[in-house]
Amino acid sequence: GENVEQHPSTLSVQEGDSAVIKCTYSDSASNYFPWYKQELGKRPQLIIDIRSNVGEKKDQRIAVTLNKTAKHFSLHITETQPEDSAVYFCAASFDAGNMLTFGGGTRLMVKP
Amino acid sequence: DVKVTQSSRYLVKRTGEKVFLECVQDMDHENMFWYRQDPGLGLRLIYFSYDVKMKEKGDIPEGYSVSREKKERFSLILESASTNQTSMYLCASSSYPGLGTASTDTQYFGPGTRLTVL
Repeated sequence: GENVEQHPSTLSVQEGDSAVIKCTYSDSASNYFPWYKQELGKRPQLIIDIRSNVGEKKDQRIAVTLNKTAKHFSLHITETQPEDSAVYFCAASFDAGNMLTFGGGTRLMVKP
Repeated sequence: DVKVTQSSRYLVKRTGEKVFLECVQDMDHENMFWYRQDPGLGLRLIYFSYDVKMKEKGDIPEGYSVSREKKERFSLILESASTNQTSMYLCASSSYPGLGTASTDTQYFGPGTRLTVL
C-alpha cells in the first residue's frame, strides 16, 4: 500500500519568514495530494490540494508543488503569521475508493 | 456547509468494555471514514465505507469493527476496549467522485472523540 513520509516533524519560524514542509510517497499510482491544517483542539481542514496533472498550485500565501518523477510534494507558506501555527498533514491517494494515506504531521510554530 | 458530528468529544472507558463511537454527516456523502490520530503517526485509516452496509478495512482494522445501516451514520465499535486503543478518533466523509471521473473529493472531518481506556 501507499506510504507517506513527512518532514520535518516540527518547524519553528519567525513571523514573516517562509515555511516549507515536504512529503514523499511510495505509490506511483497516487494522483491526488491534499494538505490539511489542524489547529489546536480543532478538526483537520483542507487548505489546498493538487492533482497529478499539474506541477504547482497557489492560493494567496500558500502553494503546493508536485514532482511526480521523484514522488514528492511540498507545501510552501510565505509571509507566515502567528495564526499559521498549527499541525499540517499531507496525504496521498489514487482515485479508487477515495482512501487517503496521511503523513505523520508537522507542527509549525510561528513566533511573533 | 458540510457538517460532520461525532457523538462525544471525550469518553472514558474501562478495559474490556464495548465502546460505540458514532458519526453523522448531513451532506448525503457516499463515503465515510474512521481514523485514529496519535502523535507522530498522523491519521491512520481504520475502516471506510462507500455505501450503506458496505465496509472496507483500512490500515489498522484489528480490534475494531464498523456499522453503516444508514447513509448518514457510520459507527465505530471497539468490541473489547484495550489501553492501546486510547487515542483521538476522527470521522470523515466525502462524496463519491463518480465512475469514470479522475477526481477524488475533499474529506470533511468531524471534531474528534478523545477516548481514554483505563
